[in-house]
Amino acid sequence: AQKVTQAQTEISVVEKEDVTLDCVYETRDTTYYLFWYKQPPSGELVFLIRRNSFDEQNEISGRYSWNFQKSTSSFNFTITASQVVDSAVYFCALTNTGANSKLTFGKGITLSVRP
Amino acid sequence: KAGVTQTPRYLIKTRGQQVTLSCSPISGHRSVSWYQQTPGQGLQFLFEYFSETQRNKGNFPGRFSGRQFSNSRSEMNVSTLELGDSALYLCASSSAGFSGNTIYFGEGSWLTVV
Repeated sequence: AQKVTQAQTEISVVEKEDVTLDCVYETRDTTYYLFWYKQPPSGELVFLIRRNSFDEQNEISGRYSWNFQKSTSSFNFTITASQVVDSAVYFCALTNTGANSKLTFGKGITLSVRP
Repeated sequence: KAGVTQTPRYLIKTRGQQVTLSCSPISGHRSVSWYQQTPGQGLQFLFEYFSETQRNKGNFPGRFSGRQFSNSRSEMNVSTLELGDSALYLCASSSAGFSGNTIYFGEGSWLTVV
């Protein structure tokens, strides 16, 4: 069975602060994929990143960066210089491979960025 | 290109009725999956269809069903609605399923059961 834990439920920061959203996962598979999605109030899940289990390189995209560490089964997401538009719920998700694969989500982290 | 399109966006139904939700995946994508999102349970997998065949199913009662058409469009149906079925239903599409593919979501259908 696979599991994703997002221990933080709500985070509130002031604009321009850096913020890190934590994600810890469990899986018995050696090949798997990790995702981060952003969900604004409208409801749509906006894709942010996909990482496979064999690629431990950190990734940076603008103000966003991701740190993947297999040794600790973590895939953390950092927003640098946060902005009000970053306010949303952020989900970490995991999928395995094979016939019965599915996307398993964490509970999500509500990020509020105050001006 | 156009994203994942879900209709209707909002709907209100009465207990005992049935509802059908529609999802048009991104052009060229053959896998469609459905999720239920509620405040208490979070995001839960309902089922996945690929080339008109259901490949995987989550732990939901038989009242929840789906199908996929030859053009990859998908519908999900919930019969004998219960108050607890009130949720955001999200559809996702990918080119070939979960393995190594990016999974894109639609805006969802907000269902309220009264």
